[in-house]
Amino acid sequence: AQKITQTQPGMFVQEKEAVTLDCTYDTSDPSYGLFWYKQPSSGEMIFLIYQGSYDQQNATEGRYSLNFQKARKSANLVISASQLGDSAMYFCAMRDSPSGSARQLTFGSGTQLTVLP
Amino acid sequence: NAGVTQTPKFQVLKTGQSMTLQCAQDMNHNSMYWYRQDPGMGLRLIYYSASEGTTDKGEVPNGYNVSRLNKREFSLRLESAAPSQTSVYFCASSDDWAGIGETQYFGPGTRLLVL
Repeated sequence: AQKITQTQPGMFVQEKEAVTLDCTYDTSDPSYGLFWYKQPSSGEMIFLIYQGSYDQQNATEGRYSLNFQKARKSANLVISASQLGDSAMYFCAMRDSPSGSARQLTFGSGTQLTVLP
Repeated sequence: NAGVTQTPKFQVLKTGQSMTLQCAQDMNHNSMYWYRQDPGMGLRLIYYSASEGTTDKGEVPNGYNVSRLNKREFSLRLESAAPSQTSVYFCASSDDWAGIGETQYFGPGTRLLVL
């Protein structure tokens, strides 16, 4: 079964508007972490934001926030005031165990965001 | 402070040739990782090293070997390249064991084409 699901292969948003990128996850472990990475056309992977399963508040980092709905197992990324430089592929990833080989990150298939001028 | 560096940036191989991808980090991280990224997919873990002198298999280790040369360097070797290994390869490193929130930082990637 897919551990991380990103159902939007592509999204468009007008410059200066907000956009939400969806991510749902599947785990039975009560302790897990959720990450979002940005991959611009140049190819590098840039860490954006992290949310822990026990965190009481939704994570925020500048224009990025994570809409964490634990009961629904969703961790959507919200980008406010979109900029042209936000055009990129966005990946949701999860770590659902702190030990052994499960320290790896499991990635979703990504969402290609295009910001329109 | 360069972060995570990878060489080469791009490589073309013929089927059966061998090559080593190099990765180095200057953040004093204990853990290092190798991932591959295929078109339309997220990254998949090939091997990782939790500390100098240790390596473990990830999700897709077949056809690869790794060496943790020292704390800074972690190399990935393809002994006999196959077209199925055409991919973009990313190296990553992370802080000392920090629990579930340990963040991985990635290198720029190596694009490998196997003909």
